Amino acid sequence: AQSVTQPDIHITVSEGASLELRCNYSYGATPYLFWYVQSPGQGLQLLLKYFSGDTLVQGIKGFEAEFKRSQSSFNLRKPSVHWSDAAEYFCAVGNQAGTALIFGKGTTLSVSS
Amino acid sequence: DTEVTQTPKHLVMGMTNKKSLKCEQHMGHRAMYWYKQKAKKPPELMFVYSYEKLSINESVPSRFSPECPNSSLLNLHLHALQPEDSALYLCASSPLAGSTDTQYFGPGTRLTVL
Repeated sequence: AQSVTQPDIHITVSEGASLELRCNYSYGATPYLFWYVQSPGQGLQLLLKYFSGDTLVQGIKGFEAEFKRSQSSFNLRKPSVHWSDAAEYFCAVGNQAGTALIFGKGTTLSVSS
Repeated sequence: DTEVTQTPKHLVMGMTNKKSLKCEQHMGHRAMYWYKQKAKKPPELMFVYSYEKLSINESVPSRFSPECPNSSLLNLHLHALQPEDSALYLCASSPLAGSTDTQYFGPGTRLTVL
């Protein structure tokens, strides 16, 4: 069965420092992968997605993610974090039936000044 | 317009009340979704509508009753809820139903059941 693992429950990063959020997936075929961000009390906003092609994907707000099939990973990165990036980040994979998204448990990002 | 709107933002109801949540999108999307999200948890899929027909019901209790009157509107009717149903209810839409299409989420309705 498909699954998504986000190993880090909570990460704290200093403002201006680089960020990497980890995501590992379990999927038999080529996965459809997404990163969403959720600010407190808000809905989810799509940061970026990977379907095929270039394994380095650029998203909004200066985020990027790299798909590594050999490691079953789709880690999210940002070179310089801003205080407004503090939020909950969810990695998701499209399920094999093509009907729904499977979300990871999320990583809470805190930004310290 | 890439916005999904949800009303109300907050709702408090008793266990004997009947209330409805409303979701609207004007992006021409043909798939709409209801998710339930508890605090510090990922969203859990409840229902999927494709071309105004219910295509997925993730074994949701009958006290939750979805309705899709037209392609832009999605309702969730609530009746005889339990306190454990308190959560953030998120609506989403996508061009077509399927995990390959980007889902656009609304801001959610924060539901409290007393």
